[in-house]
Amino acid sequence: DIQMTQSPSLLSASVGDRVTLSCKASQSIYNSLAWYQQKLGEAPKLLIYDANSLQTGIPSRFSGSGSGTDYTLTISSLQPEDVATYFCQKYYSGLTFGSGTKLEIK
Amino acid sequence: QVQLKESGPGLVQPSQTLSLTCTVSGLSLTSNSVSWIRQPPGKGLEWMGVIWSNGGTDYNSAIKSRLSISRDTSKSQVFLKMNSLQTEDTAMYFCARILQWSHFDYWGQGVMVTVSS
Repeated sequence: DIQMTQSPSLLSASVGDRVTLSCKASQSIYNSLAWYQQKLGEAPKLLIYDANSLQTGIPSRFSGSGSGTDYTLTISSLQPEDVATYFCQKYYSGLTFGSGTKLEIK
Repeated sequence: QVQLKESGPGLVQPSQTLSLTCTVSGLSLTSNSVSWIRQPPGKGLEWMGVIWSNGGTDYNSAIKSRLSISRDTSKSQVFLKMNSLQTEDTAMYFCARILQWSHFDYWGQGVMVTVSS
């Protein structure tokens, strides 16, 4: 089975910072990766699919990149409403979520 | 406007069977596929299974022996049944639309299920 590892598990940053979250697969997943944002008490929201495609209605400060085994979610300028836990999800060879990165405001 | 809404009992006794319903509006189950995903308190997300637009199903191998997903297209409802519940099955259960073997773009609000005597 392909394992998904997210890092860091907790990230504290200031408003306006450029923030980078990592998701690594144990073998290539060929860009079959999505990112979700989950605010406290809410369902996950799709941000990015196919590694770098922005879901309709998502602010352009969110972007995805990467290939092979290494993928990144970037928030270009952190806003207070971005406080949430972010999960990656692979869909090559099965459907598996990463363990999440909790993003806080410093 | 696409909406999914989960419903079911909040409390289930150990060893009993969980039955949940996902009621869908704004899309047809004959041309859309729906998955169940669960999340234990404070933990990550686990994909459970899917019912495809053609009525076929696939399940997470870890829970396949206990799980059944079905639907009633006339009522726009998808059903989850899982037997032999244990305390570790305590979780928020979500239904979500899945695009092929891919990502989940519409989610329900979730229903909390506690397994306890």
